[in-house]
Amino acid sequence: AQKVTQAQTEISVVEKEDVTLDCVYETRDTTYYLFWYKQPPSGELVFLIRRNSFDEQNEISGRYSWNFQKSTSSFNFTITASQVVDSAVYFCALSEAGYSTLTFGKGTMLLVSP
Amino acid sequence: GAGVSQSPSNKVTEKGKDVELRCDPISGHTALYWYRQSLGQGLEFLIYFQGNSAPDKSGLPSDRFSAERTGGSVSTLTIQRTQQEDSAVYLCASSRDFDYEQYFGPGTRLTVT
Repeated sequence: AQKVTQAQTEISVVEKEDVTLDCVYETRDTTYYLFWYKQPPSGELVFLIRRNSFDEQNEISGRYSWNFQKSTSSFNFTITASQVVDSAVYFCALSEAGYSTLTFGKGTMLLVSP
Repeated sequence: GAGVSQSPSNKVTEKGKDVELRCDPISGHTALYWYRQSLGQGLEFLIYFQGNSAPDKSGLPSDRFSAERTGGSVSTLTIQRTQQEDSAVYLCASSRDFDYEQYFGPGTRLTVT
């Protein structure tokens, strides 16, 4: 069975600080997908990224970057120069190929203060 | 384009009543999912529809829960004889096919009194 662990329940930073959200996963499959979603105070889950297990290249999108390391079963998310609008709960999720339902971590609440 | 929509946004019901929650997926998306988000359990998968295949009901917590998807589009989640532990936010998501990213609706907040 698959499992996603987000050990950081809550993180508080001051604006412009960099912050990394950790995600560790467990799966027996060799083909799987990893995701990050953002849930702002408005409540709607917003898709951020999807990565398949065969693509270990790090990805950067503006102030967001993701570090995927199969050796440590981790898919960490870094926000550079954080902003107040980044305040939200961030969820890491996993799906196994051909069985596309998502298994979510418990989420990390990020609070960015001015 | 239009995203996933859900109705109602809020529903308050008395224990023992039946409720129906509706989901309109993104046009053209073949896969549709229901999840539940509650404080104690986090985000849990409930049921998954893919095209004309039989739905994956493995996440439904009891036989009081059922769902259908008509015409490969709109879906309705029905909870019979609601209990207080059913109180949660029910989220619907759709994706263009299985294994693709899922786009979520705003959810229906269900409160059972």
